Amino acid sequence: DSGVTQTPKHLITATGQRVTLRCSPRSGDLSVYWYQQSLDQGLQFLIQYYNGEERAKGNILERFSAQQFPDLHSELNLSSLELGDSALYFCASSITGLAGDETQYFGPGTRLLVL
Amino acid sequence: GQSLEQPSEVTAVEGAIVQINCTYQTSGFYGLSWYQQHDGGAPTFLSYNALDGLEETGRFSSFLSRSDSYGYLLLQELQMKDSASYFCAVTYSSASKIIFGSGTRLSIRP
Repeated sequence: DSGVTQTPKHLITATGQRVTLRCSPRSGDLSVYWYQQSLDQGLQFLIQYYNGEERAKGNILERFSAQQFPDLHSELNLSSLELGDSALYFCASSITGLAGDETQYFGPGTRLLVL
Repeated sequence: GQSLEQPSEVTAVEGAIVQINCTYQTSGFYGLSWYQQHDGGAPTFLSYNALDGLEETGRFSSFLSRSDSYGYLLLQELQMKDSASYFCAVTYSSASKIIFGSGTRLSIRP
C-alpha cells in the first residue's frame, strides 16, 4: 500500500459525459501528479500540482482539467468524454515534486470505461 | 523529439539474469528512473540514476550513461514474481515534463 488513495476504482459512463476522479496523496506529500495509461500503453504524464498550484503540464487535453485543494487532495475532471478516453488513470504523490530525483508513489488507479 | 525506447517484451528463466535497455533521444534531464508494474497494479518505484554509473538495490541494479544516451535495469536471481512490466522514465530539469518509455513486459519461465 503506497498510501495514495484514489476513488472511484471503476467508472463506466457514456460519451459526452463528464466525470471527476479523486486522489488523496500520502500524508505529508505536497505534490500530486496525474497520469493516463491506455490499454497496452505506457504512462502519459498529464499534469502536476504542488501545494495547490499547477507546476507542470504534460499531454493533457483541453477537455481535461485538474486542481489541488487546500487539504492537498486533487481532482481530475474529464469532460465531453470520448471512447478514446477509456483508460486507467493514476495519481501519484511525492514530497515536494520540486526535484527530479524524488520518488513518486502511485495510487491504485481509476479504471474509466466510456461507452 | 524526446523519446525513450525499450524492448516490448523480454523472456528469461527463473534464477537467471536479465537486462532491460532504455535508449533515449533527449537531453537536459535530471535523471533516469525505473518503475515496475504488475498486471492490474500500480507502478512502483525501483531505482533512480542521476549520475552516470551503476546503482545497486538488492537484486536490482540500474545503469546510466549520458554520453551514450543509454540506460538499463539489471535484474538478478530472477523470481517468478518479477514477471511484470518495467518502465524507464526521465524527469526534466525544469520538471515541466516527465516522459515514460512504453514499457518492457518481462516474462519469467521456470
